[in-house]
Amino acid sequence: AQTVTQSQPEMSVQEAETVTLSCTYDTSESNYYLFWYKQPPSRQMILVIRQEAYKQQNATENRFSVNFQKAAKSFSLKISDSQLGDTAMYFCAFPLESNSGYALNFGKGTSLLVTP
Amino acid sequence: KAGVTQTPRYLIKTRGQQVTLSCSPISGHRSVSWYQQTPGQGLQFLFEYFSETQRNKGNFPGRFSGRQFSNSRSEMNVSTLELGDSALYLCASSLAQGLSYEQYFGPGTRLTVT
Repeated sequence: AQTVTQSQPEMSVQEAETVTLSCTYDTSESNYYLFWYKQPPSRQMILVIRQEAYKQQNATENRFSVNFQKAAKSFSLKISDSQLGDTAMYFCAFPLESNSGYALNFGKGTSLLVTP
Repeated sequence: KAGVTQTPRYLIKTRGQQVTLSCSPISGHRSVSWYQQTPGQGLQFLFEYFSETQRNKGNFPGRFSGRQFSNSRSEMNVSTLELGDSALYLCASSLAQGLSYEQYFGPGTRLTVT
């Protein structure tokens, strides 16, 4: 069965520090996309970054980058120079198995708190 | 472009009633997905519509239904509401091209069942 696992329910980091959020998944597909979404206290889900599985280069968006290990089925998110506004729930997401459409399967999330 | 909009934002219903939630996708997006978010179960996929056809359905009872109109706007309906249906209902739209599954979410509808 396809699963997306986020093993860190809560994390805390000080402002300006770097933090890494973990995600592992299971799939039999060879070509796919992976996503990290952020949900701040406002509850608005925001796409943070996406990774194409066939690309070996890790995706980067400003202070956000991923460490994608395809063989290990690992997809971690690194946040550099953490800011107070990064406080949010972070979800790893992966397309649903046998998906004839465009729906996503989400992990349980990691609650990140950035402290001054 | 305007983002995904959902109406209403907040709703209070009593057990046994039914409710209809609405979602307007980003202009040009043809796929609309619905998710239920609760503290205990997290984000769970309800269903996805593309060109007025339901393409995927999650593991929810038949009380949960949806539809999509020709302008890609979508509605979801929950009949015979139960207390456990209290949740944040999120709608997401996607351009639905190639392998790009990225979805853009609306602000959600907070449903409280009393």
